[in-house]
Parts: sequence; structure tokens; C-alpha cells
Amino acid sequence: DTEVTQTPKHLVMGMTNKKSLKCEQHMGHRAMYWYKQKAKKPPELMFVYSYEKLSINESVPSRFSPECPNSSLLNLHLHALQPEDSALYLCASSQALSYNEQFFGPGTRLTVL
Amino acid sequence: GESVGLHLPTLSVQEGDNSIINCAYSNSASDYFIWYKQESGKGPQFIIDIRSNMDKRQGQRVTVLLNKTVKHLSLQIAATQPGDSAVYFCAENINYGQNFVFGPGTRLSVLP
Repeated sequence: DTEVTQTPKHLVMGMTNKKSLKCEQHMGHRAMYWYKQKAKKPPELMFVYSYEKLSINESVPSRFSPECPNSSLLNLHLHALQPEDSALYLCASSQALSYNEQFFGPGTRLTVL
Repeated sequence: GESVGLHLPTLSVQEGDNSIINCAYSNSASDYFIWYKQESGKGPQFIIDIRSNMDKRQGQRVTVLLNKTVKHLSLQIAATQPGDSAVYFCAENINYGQNFVFGPGTRLSVLP
């Protein structure tokens, strides 16, 4: 299995809702990432986990809360989002940090009403 | 702040011709670079990488060139095919491999 899966594929939520994005990989990778990508823009790094510990938080607002329950799973919990948070949320994994190819999932298209 | 950028936002080439996509970077401490291809509705897909101790690296139909003197990176695609149509991003590795900064991207369109 050489892919990163993300669910759901699409998500529409109101500003008062709580929802979660899920990412899974079974490649034995120990680094996992969340990126945000707005239309016609490059991906922007949000969080990095290494060996299930948060390694980097790129000054992301607290309404985004990451969680890494085990080495194969990565969640992104969403609460009280704003319409400007609407974007494609990409998950990626790599064997480890440092000079390793990142494998990306197809993303979750999030719309905040 | 320092960032990765691209010379051309869009590129159209005839099928069968070679394509060259350019990228300028400004962080002299960057020592690892990746080219990604992103098709519509999909996540970025790894194409090829290069470390700063190399000037050139070749893959299947693709070549990456790195010129550290002028902080320039390029991706060459030989015999461009319709399936090569996508947005191409260069990504610059900083912070000892912990995170990547992506350039703004170039859209490649292959004309029949």
C-alpha cells in the first residue's frame, strides 16, 4: 500500500460546527503533515508530526487542532471556523523528517458557510 | 522574508516538444529541493528531487538542474505528452528537512 487516504473528500460546515478530517497511511512512515491550499495557490504547511509528536506548528489558529493517535493516523479537528478557512486540506507522509519525499493524499475540499 | 518563486506562471508547449519550467529561490541555506506535479482535483505528486551538492539529476523523461550561484532551479520534461498537463511546484527544504516551502507554481498546458 503506497498511498495516503483522506476522508471525507468534501465537507461543508457552518461556523459553529465541529468536524474532523482524517488521514491514514500504511507505508510505515513516521512523519505526517497537514497543508492548506487555497485555489490557484501553493500548499502551505500547517503542522508536522514526527513519531506521533507535534514537531512544527506554523502559527496556525487554535480553531485547528491536530491529533496523531498512532503512527498511521492523523486527524485535524475543526471548530468555529471562518469562511476564509475554506480550502483544500492536504495530508502528506514521509519516511522520516529530513530529505525525504513526501507522499500526498488527494485532500479534503472544505467549505465553511 | 525569503521565498521560492517562479519566472513564468503559465507555459504552453506542443506535444512532443521539450518543456522547461523555472524556479528562483532566495534562501541560500536551502539544501534540498523537490519538484511536484499537481493535476486538477489531486494532491501533489513527487517528480524528482535534488540536493545542493548536485548540479543535475535525471529521471525518466525529466531532468532537474540546480544553479546555486544564481539560486535557480529548473525542471526539463522531454517529449512532453498530454498527460504532463498540470501545475508544477518547486519546493525548497528549510529547517534541516522538517518543512518545505512551495513556490507559486507554473501551469503547463500541452497543445495537440
